[in-house]
Amino acid sequence: DAKTTQPTSMDCAEGRAANLPCNHSTISGNEYVYWYRQIHSQGPQYIIHGLKNNETNEMASLIITEDRKSSTLILPHATLRDTAVYYCIVRGAWGQTGANNLFFGTGTRLTVIP
Amino acid sequence: DTGVSQDPRHKITKRGQNVTFRCDPISEHNRLYWYRQTLGQGPEFLTYFQNEAQLEKSRLLSDRFSAERPKGSFSTLEIQRTEQGDSAMYLCASKFMEDTGELFFGEGSRLTVL
Repeated sequence: DAKTTQPTSMDCAEGRAANLPCNHSTISGNEYVYWYRQIHSQGPQYIIHGLKNNETNEMASLIITEDRKSSTLILPHATLRDTAVYYCIVRGAWGQTGANNLFFGTGTRLTVIP
Repeated sequence: DTGVSQDPRHKITKRGQNVTFRCDPISEHNRLYWYRQTLGQGPEFLTYFQNEAQLEKSRLLSDRFSAERPKGSFSTLEIQRTEQGDSAMYLCASKFMEDTGELFFGEGSRLTVL
């Protein structure tokens, strides 16, 4: 799986958009970008994933650059409950050889400030 | 609650003792994963099952570790002759094989080896 690079920590004011960057310059054409988050003392929680196109769901938006070498997770209106560690993960499609699990890095610790 | 359930949530043991953790996945999920997470690090893959078959094991899964999923439903992770370095959060996750995205995690079992 391609490695990802994320800032160690970020702060965001409550109610503002949180933009979390991720670099994955060695991503290959069939690898997806996944985002998970982990709130303190809980298991990781899936947020969103994408391949080439930008994606949006009820939790967040995922913007992937045209060359696919980086992406940004956007939480449009951050709340205190969004304080967590956010993991950007790159992996192949489930079922492909060597792509049947997730490799987490150390993620970005997002702190939402009142 | 129909999420992934893990038991016990906390376990304190003395070095050299054996411990066993149990995971009950979401009922229709045929894939089950075990991860380990130490303080300040992201989760690290240990092993996964598809139904009752253990299909992949990480090099992190030493000979003292054994995982089973005998009937393709719940799974157990046993650690024999525990060492202080085994202290970690042990996370279980499950997914339906055909789904493209989400891996559902449990709350984890925290092990402290004294």
